[in-house]
Amino acid sequence: DADVTQTPRNRITKTGKRIMLECSQTKGHDRMYWYRQDPGLGLRLIYYSFDVKDINKGEISDGYSVSRQAQAKFSLSLESAIPNQTALYFCATGGSLGWEETQYFGPGTRLLVL
Amino acid sequence: AQKVTQAQTEISVVEKEDVTLDCVYETRDTTYYLFWYKQPPSGELVFLIRRNSFDEQNEISGRYSWNFQKSTSSFNFTITASQVVDSAVYFCALSPLGTYKYIFGTGTRLKVLA
Repeated sequence: DADVTQTPRNRITKTGKRIMLECSQTKGHDRMYWYRQDPGLGLRLIYYSFDVKDINKGEISDGYSVSRQAQAKFSLSLESAIPNQTALYFCATGGSLGWEETQYFGPGTRLLVL
Repeated sequence: AQKVTQAQTEISVVEKEDVTLDCVYETRDTTYYLFWYKQPPSGELVFLIRRNSFDEQNEISGRYSWNFQKSTSSFNFTITASQVVDSAVYFCALSPLGTYKYIFGTGTRLKVLA
């Protein structure tokens, strides 16, 4: 089974609808992240959480909210979806091994807002 | 300012050719990590390598090699004897020590033609 899972994998929604993207991990990592990927822009950080009680805005948090329900679960919500939120969304977890730090990504969620 | 530049938007090579993907970074931090990720057509992000700023030793893994040069702030990735399966988007990322956040480049799309 995958270490980082995202549901749904694909979603089509309409402008103004509320939508939630979910992320679960079995890696036991404390840190979790949400990114969006747009063509030509790379990955941009939306929100990140270093533990259940620590949630922080990233560079493009407007229009998004998150919930860290448990160490293993981190959800991203679009309260009122708009077409320019059409993108590929990734959840990632961050773990440290000694001085090292690597992020591991889920398979992504393709979101289309009509 | 911290920034990662992947100036090559798209590269096309013929199978068995060698290809180098460039990554130039900017940071004022003296200690940081550099990463490469691969995104095949299926969309997931696959971790390839992590390099610490205090370790400039080049690394080779099979057909892949990485050249880290602090003097030019570059962390280039070379694929030797490219194969069609190497076709993907490749991302370079920077993470200053202790921030646990990545700054991604915009990616380089590599097409390997049979």
